[in-house]
Amino acid sequence: DVKVTQSSRYLVKRTGEKVFLECVQDMDHENMFWYRQDPGLGLRLIYFSYDVKMKEKGDIPEGYSVSREKKERFSLILESASTNQTSMYLCASSSGTGNTGELFFGEGSRLTVL
Amino acid sequence: AQSVTQLGSHVSVSEGALVLLRCNYSSSVPPYLFWYVQYPNQGLQLLLKYTTGATLVKGINGFEAEFKKSETSFHLTKPSAHMSDAAEYFCAAGYGQNFVFGPGTRLSVLP
Repeated sequence: DVKVTQSSRYLVKRTGEKVFLECVQDMDHENMFWYRQDPGLGLRLIYFSYDVKMKEKGDIPEGYSVSREKKERFSLILESASTNQTSMYLCASSSGTGNTGELFFGEGSRLTVL
Repeated sequence: AQSVTQLGSHVSVSEGALVLLRCNYSSSVPPYLFWYVQYPNQGLQLLLKYTTGATLVKGINGFEAEFKKSETSFHLTKPSAHMSDAAEYFCAAGYGQNFVFGPGTRLSVLP
């Protein structure tokens, strides 16, 4: 069964802490994405990557960075967490061949920043 | 910028009643269209997708959606709601490698 795995389902951090959210996919997908989900706002794209060591800013990149050292792994980094980054974070991947491929999502990481 | 709208942030239906969740996209170029479902504390899973060809698309769990280019719509329907359908539903449009999501509609199913 194909899978996108997010390392932490629930995290509680303090303001100013550095936070790492990790995502691994086993489908050999080229594309990987990080979204933030907030009630009433749907999913907003933070960063995405089309290839190893490649990254592109999405709609709301401020306060976040990413790393993609291996094809299967895409990490989201909050350099200094703030309370307004309390949210659900969703990782997704898709095949890079053609443009009909749907997104496959992980189970999400719910982050609370105190 | 491309956008996807979903009419109604919360829809309630009785068990056995018709489910209709609305989705419209803003683009003169028809995108690829998707419906995803999210159960509490889980990620999103694909219900169905439209790429090309037949405009009526059947998905999992008895859901289907019809692409209407003239109305720029992709509404989701199910003839008879089940309690297990209670979830949040997201419409999404794919433009090349990028995706635009609607704000979501929470479906409640009443006994």
